[in-house]
Amino acid sequence: QKEVEQDPGPLSVPEGAIVSLNCTYSNSAFQYFMWYRQYSRKGPELLMYTYSSGNKEDGRFTAQVDKSSKYISLFIRDSQPSDSATYLCAMSSFPSGGYNKLIFGAGTRLAVHP
Amino acid sequence: AAGVIQSPRHLIKEKRETATLKCYPIPRHDTVYWYQQGPGQDPQFLISFYEKMQSDKGSIPDRFSAQQFSDYHSELNMSSLELGDSALYFCASSEGTGEYLNTEAFFGQGTRLTVV
Repeated sequence: QKEVEQDPGPLSVPEGAIVSLNCTYSNSAFQYFMWYRQYSRKGPELLMYTYSSGNKEDGRFTAQVDKSSKYISLFIRDSQPSDSATYLCAMSSFPSGGYNKLIFGAGTRLAVHP
Repeated sequence: AAGVIQSPRHLIKEKRETATLKCYPIPRHDTVYWYQQGPGQDPQFLISFYEKMQSDKGSIPDRFSAQQFSDYHSELNMSSLELGDSALYFCASSEGTGEYLNTEAFFGQGTRLTVV
């Protein structure tokens, strides 16, 4: 079983819809949670970064972390065709010895059609 | 703003050849990570460096080696290339602050390696 599970989709929604993307994880040591957006043949672009539980909002994007359920979400409001991309969740544990690495989900492919 | 620079962007090699990928982190970033992303797969962690020392190791084959230089750029050396090594190779950088590493990692555009 992978440490981070993410439904690969694809997810197809009409323009203006609210999109919900989710990841579950098994390692309770994870403390840092990130969402990356990756366009085809491009490097992942950091969208949201959250430490521990709670919500974080940035424009049309809201990230939620529920550590008790080991579940994180990314909501996109008023989705646009330009939001069409693969969304990767990533997380890491509090560094012991000062170093850590990101563990990625499989990525969810989102298509927003006009 | 300066981003993570990777070179080359594309590379075609034959089986059993050697390839060297380069990564130039964001200025003042002292931590570099290398990831491999196969077609339709999520990025897999290979190796990382902090202050020129290897800090963590993931699923990196013994045929691969990497290092971080005094100017913090990093090189990934791949020998005896196999068809299965064809993938996108991403470098990411972050700013470490001693024991409490800032985990906001920023990625480069990647190097697409094709082994034929």
